[in-house]
Amino acid sequence: EVKLVESGGGLVQPGRSLRLSCEGSGFSFDDHAMQWVRQAPGKGLEWISSLSWNSLSATYADSVKGRFTTSRDNAKNSLYLHMNSLRVEDTALYYCAKDYGGRALDVWGQGTLVTVSS
Amino acid sequence: EIVLTQSPGILSLSPGESATLSCRTSQSVNNFYLSWYQQRPGHPPRLLLYGASTRATGIPDRFSGSGSGTDFTLTISRLEPDDFAVYYCQHYGVSRYTFGPGTKLEIK
Repeated sequence: EVKLVESGGGLVQPGRSLRLSCEGSGFSFDDHAMQWVRQAPGKGLEWISSLSWNSLSATYADSVKGRFTTSRDNAKNSLYLHMNSLRVEDTALYYCAKDYGGRALDVWGQGTLVTVSS
Repeated sequence: EIVLTQSPGILSLSPGESATLSCRTSQSVNNFYLSWYQQRPGHPPRLLLYGASTRATGIPDRFSGSGSGTDFTLTISRLEPDDFAVYYCQHYGVSRYTFGPGTKLEIK
């Protein structure tokens, strides 16, 4: 079974940091670019980051650029999102997703909830 | 930056009817990079169609997509109870993904 499992979410104060993890299984993790997408409560989907299979190319949405960094460890089939200088507006369910040929996202995790509040 | 607009915002229909959902892009895009997703409450999004009209694995043929340029359509025939959900279109370009705001398909 192809699966993605996120972890690391929680309640954090504004200005603090948090690291999310996403572990993949059932597919060749190192063959695929990976994405982070978030969804604020009751809102739509917002793409926030993309990382190539070899970590050589990373892109970020303007809303998180300079504050969030994506990395991966292919030996551990894992993707990470390092979030710094968190803001209240970063409160959301964070999904990792498997890239399908650079055109769609064909596998999604269940998400991990990040709440930024004092 | 390409902006995606979806209409209607909310669509109220009954089981058995057909649904037509629209996605418009702010500039012409390559069909190859246009996809549709379904999101049921409490669940992650699920890929329905990619390349504007190709069904993802396991998606029934009641779901179909069409369109080109700036106007794309998702059609769902013979609506079933599980089809009532939010639908998003999405475009990939310049190393980033952009989602539309979604159309909520609700039971009338």
